[in-house]
Amino acid sequence: EVQLLESGGGLVQPGGSLRLSCAASGFTFSNYAMTWVRQTPGKGLEWVSGISGSGGATYNVDSVKGRFTISRDNSKNTLYLQMNSLRAEDTAVYYCTRRPMGWNYVDYWGQGTLVTVSP
Amino acid sequence: EIVMTQSPATLSVSPGERATLSCRASQSVHNNLAWYQQKPGQAPRLLIYGASTRATGVPARFSGSGSGTEFTLTVNSLQSEDFALYFCHQYNDWPPTWTLGQGTKVEIK
Repeated sequence: EVQLLESGGGLVQPGGSLRLSCAASGFTFSNYAMTWVRQTPGKGLEWVSGISGSGGATYNVDSVKGRFTISRDNSKNTLYLQMNSLRAEDTAVYYCTRRPMGWNYVDYWGQGTLVTVSP
Repeated sequence: EIVMTQSPATLSVSPGERATLSCRASQSVHNNLAWYQQKPGQAPRLLIYGASTRATGVPARFSGSGSGTEFTLTVNSLQSEDFALYFCHQYNDWPPTWTLGQGTKVEIK
């Protein structure tokens, strides 16, 4: 059974940093591209950052370029999202997600971790 | 980026009836369209990909159709567990995008 378990969310002040982690199990982690997707009541779901199975290719949406860094440790079956220079508009539930081989849609989601950016 | 919109925002349906949800893309996404279901406090669940292919374990009462810019998700004979929020998602263009806002809420009539 595919399982994705996020951790690391919380309350942080504007300009601060957080590191999200996602522990994956139930599949061969290194074979799959992974993505962080966030959800807010107003904007809905938003693709944030993606990474290839090997970790050699990464992609970020324009709004987080230069601030967020996605990475993975295939030996630990863990995905990360380092978030710096956080802004109020980054407040959201962040989901760790898996993409099927060769495709950009999401087939499995974690339960999400809430990030709140507020003074 | 491609903007995805859904209608209606809320659909009131009686158990056992059919629900028909619409999704429109601001430009063609061919058949690179997925549908997701989300219940309160839960993560989204993949229902349909490739516009019409059911994901593993999804009941046959869920069906998807359409291509280009117009898509439909049909849920036949609604069960109690089907009352939820539904989103569409295009993955044809970069970045992949979901429905702007909150999708379609299917509620009990």
